[in-house]
Amino acid sequence: SYELTQPPSVSVSPGQTARITCSGDALPKQYVYWYQQKPGQAPILVIYKDSERPSGIPERFSGSSSGTTVTLTISGVQAEDEADYYCQSADSSGTYVFGTGTKVTVL
Amino acid sequence: QVTLRESGPALVKPTQTLTLTCTFSGFSLTTGGMFVSWIRQPPGKALEWLALIGWDDDEYYSTSLKTRLTISKDTSKNQVVLTMTNMDPVDTATYFCARIQQSFTYDAFDIWGQGTMVTVSS
Repeated sequence: SYELTQPPSVSVSPGQTARITCSGDALPKQYVYWYQQKPGQAPILVIYKDSERPSGIPERFSGSSSGTTVTLTISGVQAEDEADYYCQSADSSGTYVFGTGTKVTVL
Repeated sequence: QVTLRESGPALVKPTQTLTLTCTFSGFSLTTGGMFVSWIRQPPGKALEWLALIGWDDDEYYSTSLKTRLTISKDTSKNQVVLTMTNMDPVDTATYFCARIQQSFTYDAFDIWGQGTMVTVSS
């Protein structure tokens, strides 16, 4: 399996834009998925297949991909977006990997 | 409504075998493209994928843990069971089960259980 690397933390003021990156050598060949996890809760899927948004997820969450780096963007950050965010991918052998996680702090 | 719920012991001793059960509702593990997976999270640390079982009986395991893990399913009971042998204090974590519905969200874990905390200590 391979590794997915995320910055440990991102800080952003309310109303501003937060960008969380996820880097991995295999990413150009595999989709990436993003999860939001608040303290004491299970993760919630916020982006699938690099840039698709599940129903019920606010439009301010978006995803993009470029080469070996994918990015989760939260536009117009709200206080409720403060959480840990994890990227995830799968390889062709049927194994899965999560990123190292990013703590988003809303100042 | 799709739900998953993990159950199992809260405390196990070192060297013991852990058995966890994921009981789900709202979908069938006989439907094409359906999978159930186990994922764990040590306190304060990142998520770690453990194992996956599919509608087609295929099983997949974490490369680093595959010698200790077994995943199985009972479709009549809507349950998926994970066993992990030779438990160690570093295995202390919250264990989650989660669903994959490939026909809609591909390889995403779209629905998660609430998790069950397992502590390994003598």
